[in-house]
Amino acid sequence: DQQVKQNSPSLSVQEGRISILNCDYTNSMFDYFLWYKKYPAEGPTFLISISSIKDKNEDGRFTVFLNKSAKHLSLHIVPSQPGDSAVYFCAASAWIGSGTYKYIFGTGTRLKVLA
Amino acid sequence: GAVVSQHPSRVICKSGTSVKIECRSLDFQATTMFWYRQFPKQSLMLMATSNEGSKATYEQGVEKDKFLINHASLTLSTLTVTSAHPEDSSFYICSARDRGRGDLTYTQYFGPGTRLTVL
Repeated sequence: DQQVKQNSPSLSVQEGRISILNCDYTNSMFDYFLWYKKYPAEGPTFLISISSIKDKNEDGRFTVFLNKSAKHLSLHIVPSQPGDSAVYFCAASAWIGSGTYKYIFGTGTRLKVLA
Repeated sequence: GAVVSQHPSRVICKSGTSVKIECRSLDFQATTMFWYRQFPKQSLMLMATSNEGSKATYEQGVEKDKFLINHASLTLSTLTVTSAHPEDSSFYICSARDRGRGDLTYTQYFGPGTRLTVL
């Protein structure tokens, strides 16, 4: 049962245009969402996050939108740059008690920004 | 800030040996650390969650006697792959959650990963 889904395994975008990466989730108990960027053979790098009580969070070129009713979040990158080419994972966290949060990761979307 | 290191970055060992991987939070205290495994072209698979000073919580299907996790301090967690076999070859990544970062308290910071190859 995949609780966090990234239905697009890959995405190609021209440099300078907007990249939109999508993520859907099924568990309404998730209270925090995060986006990570990952290069091959490296650990993921945190990009941006959003609390479930917000619907938008912006940090520079990155904006995350959350639609709770649709259980959908998206990451917008604008303008896209060739250095943004990587695999992007969305993640959702939920409190599972005993001071611990559990994080569920999506399967990732490979973004390729074409120069 | 929020730097997590892992050591070693790459290890090759013979079948039957044990391998220890260290995960350190360098500039923050991590009450919770996570260990993940990533297979080629797949997502991160959570193996276990460890809270400082207590036993790790393993995910279903992960053998606790095979993958020993110790979280002895607020800045160090270790994963020991015991009696490693070729099927244990994978990319292992740790992450840590900063206990005192306000809005970023929920954020995990990842180490660079360890590539384990068992011959």
